[in-house]
Amino acid sequence: NAGVTQTPKFQVLKTGQSMTLQCAQDMNHEYMSWYRQDPGMGLRLIHYSVGAGITDQGEVPNGYNVSRSTTEDFPLRLLSAAPSQTSVYFCASSFRGRNGYTFGSGTRLTVV
Amino acid sequence: TQLLEQSPQFLSIQEGENLTVYCNSSSVFSSLQWYRQEPGEGPVLLVTVVTGGEVKKLKRLTFQFGDARKDSSLHITAAQPGDTGLYLCAGAPASGSRLTFGEGTQLTVNP
Repeated sequence: NAGVTQTPKFQVLKTGQSMTLQCAQDMNHEYMSWYRQDPGMGLRLIHYSVGAGITDQGEVPNGYNVSRSTTEDFPLRLLSAAPSQTSVYFCASSFRGRNGYTFGSGTRLTVV
Repeated sequence: TQLLEQSPQFLSIQEGENLTVYCNSSSVFSSLQWYRQEPGEGPVLLVTVVTGGEVKKLKRLTFQFGDARKDSSLHITAAQPGDTGLYLCAGAPASGSRLTFGEGTQLTVNP
Protein backbone atom coordinates (compact mmCIF):
# COMPACT_ATOMS: atom_id res chain seq x y z
CA ASN A 1 0.00 0.00 0.00
CA ALA A 2 1.28 3.46 -0.88
CA GLY A 3 2.04 5.65 2.09
CA VAL A 4 4.48 6.34 4.90
CA THR A 5 5.77 3.33 6.84
CA GLN A 6 7.28 3.72 10.29
CA THR A 7 9.05 1.03 12.29
CA PRO A 8 8.95 -0.02 15.04
CA LYS A 9 5.47 0.81 16.36
CA PHE A 10 6.57 0.50 19.99
CA GLN A 11 9.99 0.68 21.66
CA VAL A 12 11.29 0.78 25.21
CA LEU A 13 14.83 2.04 25.76
CA LYS A 14 17.03 2.45 28.76
CA THR A 15 18.55 5.85 29.46
CA GLY A 16 21.74 6.25 27.45
CA GLN A 17 20.88 3.71 24.75
CA SER A 18 20.80 4.71 21.11
CA MET A 19 18.40 3.64 18.39
CA THR A 20 17.12 4.51 14.94
CA LEU A 21 13.48 5.08 14.06
CA GLN A 22 12.85 4.10 10.46
CA CYS A 23 10.65 5.97 7.99
CA ALA A 24 10.04 5.06 4.37
CA GLN A 25 7.65 6.45 1.74
CA ASP A 26 6.85 5.12 -1.72
CA MET A 27 5.12 8.19 -3.17
CA ASN A 28 8.27 9.85 -4.55
CA HIS A 29 7.75 12.79 -2.19
CA GLU A 30 10.59 15.28 -1.91
CA TYR A 31 9.66 16.69 1.50
CA MET A 32 9.94 14.57 4.64
CA SER A 33 9.70 15.55 8.31
CA TRP A 34 9.91 14.12 11.80
CA TYR A 35 7.59 15.32 14.58
CA ARG A 36 7.12 14.39 18.20
CA GLN A 37 3.71 14.57 19.86
CA ASP A 38 3.37 15.13 23.58
CA PRO A 39 0.15 15.68 25.57
CA GLY A 40 -1.01 19.29 25.44
CA MET A 41 1.81 20.36 23.11
CA GLY A 42 0.60 19.37 19.67
CA LEU A 43 3.18 18.22 17.12
CA ARG A 44 6.64 19.73 17.24
CA LEU A 45 9.05 19.59 14.32
CA ILE A 46 12.35 17.82 15.04
CA HIS A 47 14.11 17.71 11.65
CA TYR A 48 13.03 18.01 8.06
CA SER A 49 14.34 17.44 4.54
CA VAL A 50 13.41 18.97 1.19
CA GLY A 51 15.26 16.35 -0.86
CA ALA A 52 17.94 13.69 -0.84
CA GLY A 53 21.12 15.01 0.75
CA ILE A 54 19.38 18.05 2.28
CA THR A 55 18.32 18.20 5.93
CA ASP A 56 17.66 20.99 8.40
CA GLN A 57 16.74 21.45 12.04
CA GLY A 58 13.24 22.05 13.25
CA GLU A 59 11.92 23.38 16.53
CA VAL A 60 13.31 20.66 18.88
CA PRO A 61 16.41 19.08 17.24
CA ASN A 62 18.62 18.49 20.28
CA GLY A 63 19.42 14.82 20.92
CA TYR A 64 18.38 13.71 17.42
CA ASN A 65 20.20 13.21 14.12
CA VAL A 66 18.86 12.60 10.63
CA SER A 67 20.21 11.83 7.18
CA ARG A 68 18.56 11.56 3.76
CA SER A 69 20.61 9.44 1.41
CA THR A 70 17.62 8.44 -0.76
CA THR A 71 14.28 10.03 -1.62
CA GLU A 72 12.43 7.13 0.03
CA ASP A 73 14.08 6.91 3.46
CA PHE A 74 14.46 9.38 6.31
CA PRO A 75 15.69 7.68 9.52
CA LEU A 76 15.75 9.46 12.88
CA ARG A 77 18.59 8.58 15.27
CA LEU A 78 18.46 9.03 19.01
CA LEU A 79 22.06 9.39 20.11
CA SER A 80 21.76 8.82 23.87
CA ALA A 81 18.16 8.35 24.97
CA ALA A 82 16.81 10.41 27.86
CA PRO A 83 13.46 10.15 29.70
CA SER A 84 12.51 13.54 28.19
CA GLN A 85 12.47 11.83 24.79
CA THR A 86 9.55 9.63 25.82
CA SER A 87 6.97 10.56 23.22
CA VAL A 88 5.11 9.49 20.10
CA TYR A 89 7.12 10.13 16.95
CA PHE A 90 5.56 10.74 13.55
CA CYS A 91 7.18 10.82 10.15
CA ALA A 92 5.44 12.71 7.33
CA SER A 93 6.04 13.28 3.64
CA SER A 94 4.73 15.65 1.00
CA PHE A 95 5.14 16.46 -2.68
CA ARG A 96 5.02 20.23 -2.33
CA GLY A 97 4.58 20.79 1.41
CA ARG A 98 2.07 23.59 1.30
CA ASN A 99 -0.60 21.26 -0.14
CA GLY A 100 -0.52 18.85 2.77
CA TYR A 101 1.43 15.97 4.25
CA THR A 102 0.88 12.21 4.58
CA PHE A 103 1.72 10.89 8.04
CA GLY A 104 2.87 7.49 9.19
CA SER A 105 1.09 5.70 12.03
CA GLY A 106 3.76 6.62 14.58
CA THR A 107 6.33 5.08 16.92
CA ARG A 108 5.56 5.13 20.63
CA LEU A 109 8.88 5.42 22.47
CA THR A 110 9.37 5.04 26.21
CA VAL A 111 12.75 5.80 27.81
CA VAL A 112 13.19 4.42 31.32
CA THR B 1 8.92 31.43 15.73
CA GLN B 2 5.45 31.28 14.23
CA LEU B 3 2.72 30.24 16.64
CA LEU B 4 -0.77 28.92 16.05
CA GLU B 5 -3.36 29.12 18.80
CA GLN B 6 -6.22 26.70 18.52
CA SER B 7 -9.45 26.92 20.48
CA PRO B 8 -11.22 25.41 22.19
CA GLN B 9 -8.82 22.77 23.46
CA PHE B 10 -11.65 20.40 24.42
CA LEU B 11 -15.21 20.22 23.13
CA SER B 12 -17.91 17.75 24.17
CA ILE B 13 -21.26 18.05 22.42
CA GLN B 14 -24.40 16.05 21.66
CA GLU B 15 -25.09 14.46 18.30
CA GLY B 16 -26.80 16.91 15.97
CA GLU B 17 -25.23 20.07 17.41
CA ASN B 18 -23.07 22.47 15.41
CA LEU B 19 -19.58 23.55 16.40
CA THR B 20 -16.71 25.78 15.32
CA VAL B 21 -13.00 25.36 15.96
CA TYR B 22 -10.68 28.35 15.59
CA CYS B 23 -7.04 28.60 14.61
CA ASN B 24 -5.36 31.99 15.06
CA SER B 25 -1.90 33.43 14.54
CA SER B 26 -0.13 36.77 14.38
CA SER B 27 1.87 35.44 11.41
CA VAL B 28 0.88 35.12 7.77
CA PHE B 29 0.89 31.62 6.32
CA SER B 30 1.06 30.56 2.71
CA SER B 31 -1.45 27.82 3.41
CA LEU B 32 -3.43 26.44 6.33
CA GLN B 33 -3.97 22.71 6.63
CA TRP B 34 -6.51 20.87 8.76
CA TYR B 35 -5.92 17.31 9.98
CA ARG B 36 -7.95 14.81 11.98
CA GLN B 37 -6.26 12.27 14.23
CA GLU B 38 -7.72 9.18 15.86
CA PRO B 39 -6.15 7.37 18.84
CA GLY B 40 -3.08 5.34 17.90
CA GLU B 41 -2.92 6.74 14.39
CA GLY B 42 -1.17 9.55 12.57
CA PRO B 43 -2.96 12.74 11.50
CA VAL B 44 -4.93 12.53 8.26
CA LEU B 45 -5.22 15.57 6.00
CA LEU B 46 -8.78 16.90 5.65
CA VAL B 47 -8.24 20.03 3.59
CA THR B 48 -5.76 22.72 2.60
CA VAL B 49 -6.76 26.37 2.12
CA VAL B 50 -4.35 28.65 0.29
CA THR B 51 -6.19 31.84 -0.71
CA GLY B 52 -7.24 34.58 1.72
CA GLY B 53 -11.01 34.42 2.20
CA GLU B 54 -11.22 30.93 0.72
CA VAL B 55 -14.06 28.65 1.85
CA LYS B 56 -13.97 24.89 1.28
CA LYS B 57 -16.69 22.39 2.09
CA LEU B 58 -16.23 18.70 2.79
CA LYS B 59 -19.70 17.21 3.38
CA ARG B 60 -20.76 18.63 6.78
CA LEU B 61 -17.38 20.34 7.38
CA THR B 62 -16.75 23.93 6.26
CA PHE B 63 -13.25 25.39 6.33
CA GLN B 64 -12.46 29.08 5.99
CA PHE B 65 -9.16 30.92 5.59
CA GLY B 66 -9.06 34.48 6.89
CA ASP B 67 -8.66 37.34 4.46
CA ALA B 68 -5.22 38.18 5.89
CA ARG B 69 -4.17 34.49 5.87
CA LYS B 70 -3.49 34.58 9.61
CA ASP B 71 -6.45 32.59 10.86
CA SER B 72 -8.80 29.79 9.93
CA SER B 73 -11.93 28.10 11.20
CA LEU B 74 -13.53 24.69 10.94
CA HIS B 75 -17.31 24.48 11.26
CA ILE B 76 -19.11 21.14 11.62
CA THR B 77 -22.84 21.01 11.02
CA ALA B 78 -25.00 18.39 12.72
CA ALA B 79 -22.09 16.61 14.38
CA GLN B 80 -22.12 12.82 14.50
CA PRO B 81 -20.29 10.39 16.83
CA GLY B 82 -18.02 9.48 13.92
CA ASP B 83 -16.68 13.05 13.98
CA THR B 84 -15.03 12.36 17.34
CA GLY B 85 -11.28 12.88 17.19
CA LEU B 86 -8.41 15.33 17.56
CA TYR B 87 -8.56 18.17 15.04
CA LEU B 88 -5.27 19.89 14.25
CA CYS B 89 -4.55 23.00 12.24
CA ALA B 90 -1.12 23.56 10.70
CA GLY B 91 0.33 26.59 8.96
CA ALA B 92 2.82 26.35 6.12
CA PRO B 93 5.27 29.00 4.87
CA ALA B 94 5.73 29.63 1.15
CA SER B 95 8.35 26.87 0.94
CA GLY B 96 5.98 24.37 2.56
CA SER B 97 8.91 22.72 4.28
CA ARG B 98 8.11 23.51 7.92
CA LEU B 99 4.62 23.10 9.31
CA THR B 100 3.62 24.86 12.53
CA PHE B 101 0.88 22.99 14.37
CA GLY B 102 -1.71 24.22 16.79
CA GLU B 103 -2.19 22.27 20.01
CA GLY B 104 -5.33 20.60 18.71
CA THR B 105 -9.01 20.42 19.62
CA GLN B 106 -10.23 17.16 21.15
CA LEU B 107 -13.82 16.76 19.97
CA THR B 108 -16.21 14.25 21.52
CA VAL B 109 -19.66 13.82 20.01
CA ASN B 110 -22.00 11.94 22.30
CA PRO B 111 -24.86 9.87 20.83
